Order: sequence, then C-alpha cells, then structure tokens
Amino acid sequence: DADVTQTPRNRITKTGKRIMLECSQTKGHDRMYWYRQDPGLGLQLIYYSFDVKDINKGEISDGYSVSRQAQAKFSLSLESAIPNQTALYFCATSDFGGSDEQFFGPGTRLTVL
Amino acid sequence: KNQVEQSPQSLIILEGKNCTLQCNYTVSPFSNLRWYKQDTGRGPVSLTIMTFSENTKSNGRYTATLDADTKQSSLHITASQLSDSASYICVVSGMGDYKLSFGAGTTVTVRA
Repeated sequence: DADVTQTPRNRITKTGKRIMLECSQTKGHDRMYWYRQDPGLGLQLIYYSFDVKDINKGEISDGYSVSRQAQAKFSLSLESAIPNQTALYFCATSDFGGSDEQFFGPGTRLTVL
Repeated sequence: KNQVEQSPQSLIILEGKNCTLQCNYTVSPFSNLRWYKQDTGRGPVSLTIMTFSENTKSNGRYTATLDADTKQSSLHITASQLSDSASYICVVSGMGDYKLSFGAGTTVTVRA
C-alpha cells in the first residue's frame, strides 16, 4: 500500500462549488503539506502543518482552507472553486528532526469548469 | 525571493544515449539540493540529495553534481531507458528553512 494516499485522484467540478481533497499517510510523519502544480511552474506551497494543532499558510493560500483531523490526515478545501484553481494538487509529508525529504502522494487532478 | 531555474524545459533523446539537465538557484543560505523524478500521473520521488560539502552523488544511472560556489547543479542520465521518460525537478532547501524551492522541471522523453 502507498505511504501517502490522496482522494479523489481526479475531480471535475463547476465554478462556485465547495470541494474537499483528502490526504492520508501511514509514514508516521508529523509534517504535512499541500502543493499545487501548474504547467511550466514549480510546485507552490498552499498550506503546511507541523502537527495537529499547527496550521500555517504557504505562498498561495487565498481561496483555500485546510483541516488537520489527525496526525495521519490533512484535508484541503476550496470554499468556492474558480477556474484558475484548475491544477494538479499534491500532498506531501516529512519527518520532524529527520532529513527534510518530503514524500509525495500521487496527486489529485482538479478541473473547475 | 529564492529561485530555482532549470534548463532545458524539455528534451528528446534516443534510448541508450546520455543527457544532462541543468539547475541554477539563488537560495541562500543553502542547505541541500535534491533532484526528484516525477513520472506522469505520479508524485515526485527523490533521486539524489547533496549538501554543501558534496559535489557529486550517484543513484544508478543518475549522477548529480553540485557547485555551491556558482549555485549550479546538473543531473546526468547515462544510457537512457524508456522508463527514464519523466519530469526531473530540482529542489533546493535553505538553511534552517523547512520550505522548499522548486524548479519548474525538465521533461525528458526517451524514444526507442
């Protein structure tokens, strides 16, 4: 089984709809991250969490919110989706105190019409 | 703002040939540099990591180099295989900074 899983893998939605993307991990890592990837651009950090009670905004948090339900679960919500949020979204985890290698999930391809 | 620039944006090579990808960065102070491989439809996976004191690191047919003075890195793929077709992303970490700076990636297509 994959260490970092994301659901759904693909989603098509309409402008104005609320969308939730979910991430689960079995690596036992404290730190979790949400990124978006657009063609021709590097991954951009949306939100990150160092533990269940710690949530921080990344570079591009406007229009997004997150919830850290447990050490192993980190959800990303688009409160009112808009077309320019069409992108590939990745969840990642890393271990506090270890190397700063981040382990990525398989991604969610989101299309907002 | 910390930046990571990669070149070329894409390249096509024949199976069995070698290629070299480039990465220039402005992240300072520097902690480490990783090369990630991202297969289509998958998340990135780390290939190599180099710290300030390392100037070369190999992982099978992948060899990464680092010149911390000029802030440049390269990834050399030897005897390419069809499975090497992927995007290769240069990722730089600053000292004491959990945030990573990502390059846009180089898309490599290996043709039979």
